[in-house]
Amino acid sequence: DAKTTQPPSMDCAEGRAANLPCNHSTISGNEYVYWYRQIHSQGPQYIIHGLKNNETNEMASLIITEDRKSSTLILPHATLRDTAVYYCITGGSEKLVFGKGTKLTVNP
Amino acid sequence: DTGVSQNPRHKITKRGQNVTFRCDPISEHNRLYWYRQTLGQGPEFLTYFQNEAQLEKSRLLSDRFSAERPKGSFSTLEIQRTEQGDSAMYLCASTSTWALYFGPGTRLLVL
Repeated sequence: DAKTTQPPSMDCAEGRAANLPCNHSTISGNEYVYWYRQIHSQGPQYIIHGLKNNETNEMASLIITEDRKSSTLILPHATLRDTAVYYCITGGSEKLVFGKGTKLTVNP
Repeated sequence: DTGVSQNPRHKITKRGQNVTFRCDPISEHNRLYWYRQTLGQGPEFLTYFQNEAQLEKSRLLSDRFSAERPKGSFSTLEIQRTEQGDSAMYLCASTSTWALYFGPGTRLLVL
């Protein structure tokens, strides 16, 4: 079973920041936090991952709380193409267990 | 390199028939994964390979399912005696580091 909790859906206005929360209160010390997204009818796409420090790449930023029990994925300027299901996953470098994710809808 | 490819993209079969799917990973990726996804659910792990060795199989992978990666490159997933409950998207992913790179999937419909 997935070890993370995410809201089932969120809405965001185009051009605004999208902040997607994730709870992972049972994360262990050596587990990473991964974020993937899946646009309709496509395979999931890797976004970002982190262990305990905040991370940023060209797609998004990942903020992990100091106790590592939750994290937030930030899309700084959401576009319509960011409409997708976003999955927060914790684990090592081997198999990943996906939950149901958050369906993000970016509205014009 | 154009990423992970999967063939066929769509497959319709009758209950009881056998089907085989192929996955070509990104070159040099030593790990290859199979996942299954049904409508409204996240992908479910089926199995994974490190090179040609199958290291883990989910309990979802019944004895009707078999996966191979004979030379550590492409992989096949075979489903024997298909059932309507096998209807799903079958996703393949590969990696050599942290990020899984997924293919477009094979959508199976069992009538």
